[in-house]
Amino acid sequence: AQSVSQHNHHVILSEAASLELGCNYSYGGTVNLFWYVQYPGQHLQLLLKYFSGDPLVKGIKGFEAEFIKSKFSFNLRKPSVQWSDTAEYFCAVEENYGQNFVFGPGTRLSVLP
Amino acid sequence: EAQVTQNPRYLITVTGKKLTVTCSQNMNHEYMSWYRQDPGLGLRQIYYSMNVEVTDKGDVPEGYKVSRKEKRNFPLILESPSPNQTSLYFCASSGTGYNEQFFGPGTRLTVL
Repeated sequence: AQSVSQHNHHVILSEAASLELGCNYSYGGTVNLFWYVQYPGQHLQLLLKYFSGDPLVKGIKGFEAEFIKSKFSFNLRKPSVQWSDTAEYFCAVEENYGQNFVFGPGTRLSVLP
Repeated sequence: EAQVTQNPRYLITVTGKKLTVTCSQNMNHEYMSWYRQDPGLGLRQIYYSMNVEVTDKGDVPEGYKVSRKEKRNFPLILESPSPNQTSLYFCASSGTGYNEQFFGPGTRLTVL
C-alpha cells in the first residue's frame, strides 16, 4: 500500500530562517503530489500541488516544492519564514484519480518571533 | 461561496449511541471523502465516493458507514460509536481528474 513519510515531527525556527520540510512516498507509478497547511484550529488548505511538468512548483505565501522522481521526494521550502507560518504541514500523494489519497503524518512548524 | 460544510462541529456522545455527521458541498464535485485526524498519524481516509451511489472503503473503514444518495451530500454514520473513534473528522470534495481536495471545517467527536 502507498505510504507517505515526513522527516520531522516538529520543527522550531526563528523568524527569517529558511525552511525545508521533507516528504517521501512509496508508490512507484504516476502520482499527484500536494502540500496542505493547517493553521491552529482551522481546516486544511492547499499550499501547492504538482501534477506534471516543471518539477519545481510555486505555491501561495512564498512556499515552493521540488519533485525529485528518482528519490520519491517532494520537499517543501520557504527561504524566510514568518511567525504567521506557524502551523501543521501535511504532504499528500494521490494515485488513480483520487481513489487512493494518502496523507503523511504531518510536521508541526513553530516559528519564534 | 464555494465551500464544504460539516455538522455538527463538536459532538460529545456515549458508547453505542448512533450518530451521523453530515457533509455537504456546493461545488458540484463528483468525489467526496471522509478522513479522521489523530495526533502523530496525520489524516487517514475512512471512505470515499467517486459519484452518486458509488462508495468504497479507505484505509480505516471499520465502525463507519457512508451513503451517497445525492451528489452534494456525503454523511458519515457511526452505528455504535466506541471511544477509539474519538477524533477530528474532515470531509473533503474534489472534481474529477487531477484536482486538489477542498476540506470542510472539521467535526471534533468525543465518545465517552
